[in-house]
Amino acid sequence: RKEVEQDPGPFNVPEGATVAFNCTYSNSASQSFFWYRQDCRKEPKLLMSVYSSGNEDGRFTAQLNRASQYISLLIRDSKLSDSATYLCVVTPNDYKLSFGAGTTVTVRA
Amino acid sequence: NAGVTQTPKFRILKIGQSMTLQCAQDMNHNYMYWYRQDPGMGLKLIYYSVGAGITDKGEVPNGYNVSRSTTEDFPLRLELAAPSQTSVYFCASSGRGGEQFFGPGTRLTVL
Repeated sequence: RKEVEQDPGPFNVPEGATVAFNCTYSNSASQSFFWYRQDCRKEPKLLMSVYSSGNEDGRFTAQLNRASQYISLLIRDSKLSDSATYLCVVTPNDYKLSFGAGTTVTVRA
Repeated sequence: NAGVTQTPKFRILKIGQSMTLQCAQDMNHNYMYWYRQDPGMGLKLIYYSVGAGITDKGEVPNGYNVSRSTTEDFPLRLELAAPSQTSVYFCASSGRGGEQFFGPGTRLTVL
């Protein structure tokens, strides 16, 4: 089983729509969780950390469910600029990250 | 701060050639990493380092070597390049338990 699994998508949504997707992780001892964003042919960049109580950053909401070992990302009021691949990242310890293969989101006008 | 820098941006190698991918960071991070990303796939960890003089293997170390003589630099060496090493290579650095910052990547083709 892969350490981190994501629905690859693509999720094709109109501007203004809400899109949500999950990722699951296999290591129950994982300590930290992140969503990274990767634009085409660019390096990944941190979008947001994911906290146990859930957290928001503008139009983005992340949730963590430790019991079921998944994290989620919800994007409200989608913009064209939200088109990207979103990488789910889990840390089994404090210096190594495990990356999912990514979920592709395309926002159309 | 320049962050994480990588050179070269692009390279084409012939089978059997060798090269070194350079990576440097100016954030005084202890942790540095090398990943490869094949088309449509996630990042796979090749090697990592938790400090100068300390390196360790990741998931896919075969065909690569690293060294970490300074905090700032973490070069990746490819010996005897093979077509299977065609990929995009990303270097990253982080503080303890913190966000990883990535370089812009090196696109390598082995023909």
